[in-house]
Amino acid sequence: DAGVTQSPTHLIKTRGQQVTLRCSPKSGHDTVSWYQQALGQGPQFIFQYYEEEERQRGNFPDRFSGHQFPNYSSELNVNALLLGDSALYLCASSPRTGKGGYTFGSGTRLTVV
Amino acid sequence: GNSVTQMEGPVTLSEEAFLTINCTYTATGYPSLFWYVQYPGEGLQLLLKATKADDKGSNKGFEATYRKETTSFHLEKGSVQVSDSAVYFCALSNQAGTALIFGKGTTLSVSS
Repeated sequence: DAGVTQSPTHLIKTRGQQVTLRCSPKSGHDTVSWYQQALGQGPQFIFQYYEEEERQRGNFPDRFSGHQFPNYSSELNVNALLLGDSALYLCASSPRTGKGGYTFGSGTRLTVV
Repeated sequence: GNSVTQMEGPVTLSEEAFLTINCTYTATGYPSLFWYVQYPGEGLQLLLKATKADDKGSNKGFEATYRKETTSFHLEKGSVQVSDSAVYFCALSNQAGTALIFGKGTTLSVSS
């Protein structure tokens, strides 16, 4: 049974560019959450998607947007990249009830130069 | 607002030593509490959890007890191994299925 799959694993972008990160949730999970983990810090919640809608959002600017598809997979888009957006981006999936907890992917390492 | 505070690392121990990583939280109501572990180059893995006061979560020799009176959820292990070297994160969730709030993480390094 595959867990959470994220792509790509590593990415280098230039300031001002746009980036799209992708996540496939664990089988049986319908809720996807995205987190940003800066170097040496704990993950920070960006937003959560369920039934193709954003259900909860953390303290991130509108440059961060997302999408969930009918098959529950999700994308995270970041526009007008800043150097400070360099981080590990983690996707976590769960059943809507939250029972059983979250399953995290290995993340996408984004470097903005 | 809700927050989690962990003891700062790094924590350096010899194999078979006793481990304690302190975690305290601030939250409204009765949050669920978690410990996650992150090995180098990997994502987070759930280590253990507790959903109500006085619950004890345990896994792989690690234990943590949900103490509402002291708002704490300290992680303990009686005898650490080199393979336990990793970063440990304490986290809370105010409601099942909602956002996790993490501490900054504590790096554990165990030498043989």
